[in-house]
Amino acid sequence: GDSVTQMEGPVTLSEEAFLTINCTYTATGYPSLFWYVQYPGEGLQLLLKATKADDKGSNKGFEATYRKETTSFHLEKGSVQVSDSAVYFCALISGGYQKVTFGTGTKLQVIP
Amino acid sequence: SQTIHQWPATLVQPVGSPLSLECTVEGTSNPNLYWYRQAAGRGLQLLFYSVGIGQISSEVPQNLSASRPQDRQFILSSKKLLLSDSGFYLCAWSKLTGTSYEQYFGPGTRLTVT
Repeated sequence: GDSVTQMEGPVTLSEEAFLTINCTYTATGYPSLFWYVQYPGEGLQLLLKATKADDKGSNKGFEATYRKETTSFHLEKGSVQVSDSAVYFCALISGGYQKVTFGTGTKLQVIP
Repeated sequence: SQTIHQWPATLVQPVGSPLSLECTVEGTSNPNLYWYRQAAGRGLQLLFYSVGIGQISSEVPQNLSASRPQDRQFILSSKKLLLSDSGFYLCAWSKLTGTSYEQYFGPGTRLTVT
């Protein structure tokens, strides 16, 4: 079945540091890939997505590129802020039922 | 625009008591609807999904059930809660955007079973 593997957290960075959160996936066919963000006590918000190979999703300074050859969708940001502290989930949709397969989430803590 | 509501926001229930969580979606018709549970410090587990009124698919056998009495209403229930039912319950709906589907989540319900 489909699966998503994310790097273990928590990740602790200083403000303005470069962020990378690794994500790899296993899926049949050609999935759509997503990053969601969850702030403390809240639901998940869609951060960005990519629907085909070599697509780059971007939003709020975050970027991720759909790499079919390495089955990866790593999340990056050039300069993190304290307000980026949250849990980040990598996810995919494949098949006809629109079910999302989530990774286990990576907690990011940014310190001033 | 579409919005998704969940209530209550928080709930504390004793073991063995019943449960009813409600989710409604506005601004769309015939959405696919989903219930997820997120245990403390862990990822999301899909519990149920529905492609239409009265159509429910269960992903994980357990003492929870779901119903969809109206097009944009999705209810999660239990007759007798267990301690292990504690968690953060998220409702979601999906829509086709461009060539792919996206899921949008409600604000969640924090359930503590004591």
